[in-house]
Amino acid sequence: KQEVTQIPAALSVPEGENLVLNCSFTDSAIYNLQWFRQDPGKGLTSLLLIQSSQREQTSGRLNASLDKSSGRSTLYIAASQPGDSATYLCAVRLGGSEKLVFGKGTKLTVNP
Amino acid sequence: SAVISQKPSRDICQRGTSLTIQCQVDSQVTMMFWYRQQPGQSLTLIATANQGSEATYESGFVIDKFPISRPNLTFSTLTVSNMSPEDSSIYLCSVKTPGVLYNEQFFGPGTRLTVL
Repeated sequence: KQEVTQIPAALSVPEGENLVLNCSFTDSAIYNLQWFRQDPGKGLTSLLLIQSSQREQTSGRLNASLDKSSGRSTLYIAASQPGDSATYLCAVRLGGSEKLVFGKGTKLTVNP
Repeated sequence: SAVISQKPSRDICQRGTSLTIQCQVDSQVTMMFWYRQQPGQSLTLIATANQGSEATYESGFVIDKFPISRPNLTFSTLTVSNMSPEDSSIYLCSVKTPGVLYNEQFFGPGTRLTVL
């Protein structure tokens, strides 16, 4: 059974700091991994999608890496801003499945 | 990307009643998904709704409790039946748009349900 763990559960940083969010999964037979942002009352926003054959994806100040063999992904946020405050979710899709398995998320607070 | 809307955005219901949640997508999609997020827990897939066929439910979820309709390629409903306080959750509709690179998945804004 695939399990996804995100560490830390919560993180508070001053504005401008670079930070890393971690995601680990138990079954390396994934099809892809997706990072989302969840804002209260606004659902989930897709940030980055990494295919199992890829090592990383970048979008603006965000960079996500994937090490499938070790069952890990990291989301790097550069020069954090108060607007980055949200809960960040990691989800994996197993090969041959349409189901996304989510972690519980990391709640990020960026202080001005 | 797909734009997804849900109704209602939130509701407070009494124990034993039922609530139907609507999900509308701005483009035709083959598969629609319903997820649940209980307080402090991760999102969990309830079922996959395919147009023209019965929904496929995940382990722990049954049709009598969570009946789903999928009348066309842009719309679906999820009903939470005979509600109890344990059903208090955020319910999210999701789609995977075919043809988009790498089958990225998108989510609606969610329906926050409180059962008293």
